[in-house]
Amino acid sequence: GIQVEQSPPDLILQEGANSTLRCNFSDSVNNLQWFHQNPWGQLINLFYIPSGTKQNGRLSATTVATERYSLLYISSSQTTDSGVYFCAVGGNAGGTSYGKLTFGQGTILTVHP
Amino acid sequence: EPEVTQTPSHQVTQMGQEVILRCVPISNHLYFYWYRQILGQKVEFLVSFYNNEISEKSEIFDDQFSVERPDGSNFTLKIRSTKLEDSAMYFCAILWTGPCTFGSGTRLTVV
Repeated sequence: GIQVEQSPPDLILQEGANSTLRCNFSDSVNNLQWFHQNPWGQLINLFYIPSGTKQNGRLSATTVATERYSLLYISSSQTTDSGVYFCAVGGNAGGTSYGKLTFGQGTILTVHP
Repeated sequence: EPEVTQTPSHQVTQMGQEVILRCVPISNHLYFYWYRQILGQKVEFLVSFYNNEISEKSEIFDDQFSVERPDGSNFTLKIRSTKLEDSAMYFCAILWTGPCTFGSGTRLTVV
């Protein structure tokens, strides 16, 4: 199956700092999503980005599908950005495989005031 | 994005008991999924469900587990004879036009 590796595993920032999270995957994919897991355990979809670049406020993401990696940028971090960020990929076998996501181990982000 | 509601949000059960976790997507969808996350670990795929039948399942999804869509709207995951190691967060997900949308999860604690 597809392997997904995220780095760094842990990241500690001061409020206002910028950061880049990376996701490497081992095979071609048709679906790539970034999630934020909040302290209550909910998975919040940040980006659906199998290729290209998207921005949403202070967050942006870039996926270079040909080189099998994706980056999540967080600018001017806030304490509310703390939590676990997951990259998940899927969809290279057609049909329901599109939603059969393989998750990375996540990056634990802690933002201090 | 569509809404996906899961009930209950938290369930505590005795080892050996059966539990049913429910998922209610607001809109009609064809593709449904269940995922599991053991505390402190990554999210793992359990099963995909399409056109009212299982299309794929992982090694985790053994005979202890079953899924069904009993009334055309609810989507359920049944765990028979729960074990301590079944304690986890269980997520239902649906496939929309682009991204997979996850429900808020059910935290299952087996004691």
